[in-house]
Amino acid sequence: IVMTQSPDSLAVSLGERATINCKSSQSLLHSYDNKNYLAWHQQKPGQPPKLLVSWASTRESGVPDRFSGSGSGTDFTLTISSLQAEDVAVYYCQHYYTTPITFGQGTRLEIK
Amino acid sequence: QVQLRQWGAGLLKPSETLSLTCGVYGGSISGYYWSWIRQSPGKGLEWIGEINHSESTTYNPSLKSRVSISVDTSKNQFSLKLNSLTAADTAVYFCARGNYCTFTTCYRAPFDIWGQGTMVAVSS
Repeated sequence: IVMTQSPDSLAVSLGERATINCKSSQSLLHSYDNKNYLAWHQQKPGQPPKLLVSWASTRESGVPDRFSGSGSGTDFTLTISSLQAEDVAVYYCQHYYTTPITFGQGTRLEIK
Repeated sequence: QVQLRQWGAGLLKPSETLSLTCGVYGGSISGYYWSWIRQSPGKGLEWIGEINHSESTTYNPSLKSRVSISVDTSKNQFSLKLNSLTAADTAVYFCARGNYCTFTTCYRAPFDIWGQGTMVAVSS
């Protein structure tokens, strides 16, 4: 499964909305449980990725509610509703529908 | 809270074998699948393979001929070996926790806990 993110980089003003898209080459919606096997990770320089969202839209514990995930099937979106300085990072989508597990190429988010 | 700490040699020569170990602290290695993932500037994040406490493994077909992942439940740790190294294997290598298992069934899950990463450089 090929994961393609857009855009590759994004500059947003503080307090504004940031939107990152992820498209999979096949549906990630499993008929067994009607769940989308799609996660979003945030990676800051020198750190490992951090899981933000699982099952396409379930925010992990401790993740600020300005982060939200949406989408189903092959098209997914990560939205940051009001960008904060600490959100500068690279964001990756990842499918876990089957093996091999694959990631998107990443979207670099910066402050405008 | 479960933490992963990883260690291993960081500078290797072409044709040598990479060997990394990841220790699971604050929880049991049982009940989950544990993965190795690498990150290079050229290829982004690449999943290498996974193992569970029963030594059930799955490898990325792109690396399968050169990879071996093992587990030592007595030490609560798992290890990665990658042989026939080339410069293309230069990357930061991460261990991570993935799928979880009940007594009867395993469920696919995202990587929710990651090791700190180990930079591995392959150079003559």
